[in-house]
Amino acid sequence: SQKIEQNSEALNIQEGKTATLTCNYTNYSPAYLQWYRQDPGRGPVFLLLIRENEKEKRKERLKVTFDTTLKQSLFHITASQPADSATYLCALGDDKIIFGKGTRLHILP
Amino acid sequence: SAVISQKPSRDICQRGTSLTIQCQVDSQVTMMFWYRQQPGQSLTLIATANQGSEATYESGFVIDKFPISRPNLTFSTLTVSNMSPEDSSIYLCSVEDIWGNTEAFFGQGTRLTVV
Repeated sequence: SQKIEQNSEALNIQEGKTATLTCNYTNYSPAYLQWYRQDPGRGPVFLLLIRENEKEKRKERLKVTFDTTLKQSLFHITASQPADSATYLCALGDDKIIFGKGTRLHILP
Repeated sequence: SAVISQKPSRDICQRGTSLTIQCQVDSQVTMMFWYRQQPGQSLTLIATANQGSEATYESGFVIDKFPISRPNLTFSTLTVSNMSPEDSSIYLCSVEDIWGNTEAFFGQGTRLTVV
């Protein structure tokens, strides 16, 4: 069955450093991959989408890579800030969207 | 983008009762989805709400337990029927980007506690 794995442990990063989150998947060939941010008590908010034929996508301090051979995506936040603390969800899309469990990120001041 | 209003935002219900969750979108959308997010778990798709026809349910979810209505292109309801404590979860309504960019927009969710 399709499976998405994200860092199960919370990630603690010092303010100003780059945070890197990992998303691995198996038994799936998605047409695109997305990253969402979710704050406590709120619905997920879309951040970035990268398609299967793209290697890298950037948006301000965010960068996403997509390696369809490794079946992996990396999500980077550069110059991290305490306001970046949240849970980040990886999602794979084709005819429908499947979500990972998410990684909790804490940016330490 | 789409703005989604979902209500109630939270509720505490007695087991055996039913709760209907409403989802209102500020624009017409083709696809509306209902998800469940249990504590520490990923979002799980319950069903796709189709306008003018029955909802399409994912494996493990049935219409008798989670009846869905979709009377028009801006509104949908999800009912959680005959609730048990295992139904305690966050329920989220979602729509896909109307411009075909496949970005999903979510409501703020309904936090349901069954006692």
